[in-house]
Amino acid sequence: NAGVMQNPRHLVRRRGQEARLRCSPMKGHSHVYWYRQLPEEGLKFMVYLQKENIIDESGMPKERFSAEFPKEGPSILRIQQVVRGDSAAYFCASSPLGRMGGAAAKNIQYFGAGTRLSVL
Amino acid sequence: KQEVTQIPAALSVPEGENLVLNCSFTDSAIYNLQWFRQDPGKGLTSLLLIQSSQREQTSGRLNASLDKSSGRSTLYIAASQPGDSATYLCAVTKLGAQKLVFGQGTRLTINP
Repeated sequence: NAGVMQNPRHLVRRRGQEARLRCSPMKGHSHVYWYRQLPEEGLKFMVYLQKENIIDESGMPKERFSAEFPKEGPSILRIQQVVRGDSAAYFCASSPLGRMGGAAAKNIQYFGAGTRLSVL
Repeated sequence: KQEVTQIPAALSVPEGENLVLNCSFTDSAIYNLQWFRQDPGKGLTSLLLIQSSQREQTSGRLNASLDKSSGRSTLYIAASQPGDSATYLCAVTKLGAQKLVFGQGTRLTINP
């Protein structure tokens, strides 16, 4: 069972370009979370999605950022018109459907290796 | 708003020593608390998870304790090894929410 897969691992963009970050959750997991780690800072929650639904986007910047988790395919975090301040490591995590006593009941999230975005 | 603080920000100790990392949180209404390890340029590895009803969890040389009423957790590492060098992150989940709220981490260096 492969872990959470994120790609690309490294992404370089010029100011004003678009960045698309992909996350394939672990097999059987239908909950996806995105976190951002700015240089020398801790991880900050961005958004929580289930298949075809955004559940909590309280950590998403109001402009330029969007996320989706379609019925088929990976979750996508999209950043439009990137600026230098968007340079960070973006981590995705997934967890399974809720069931009593299982990993979901404990809210165990499994993390990917991250995408490191550099904006020139 | 939940805030998580980790002290110290960095720690350097000789190999073989026992050590304690500290984590504090402002809102005691948590669902659980997790300790993670992060290696440079890598993702996060979950080390221990403590449910709000539990007092401690142990895994090998690691022991994590939780005092919910005082808003504190400690991660105890016994007989430290150079391979333990990493950043250790503490994170809490609030009751009724799914997101993790992280501390800024403690960067640990074990010197051979």
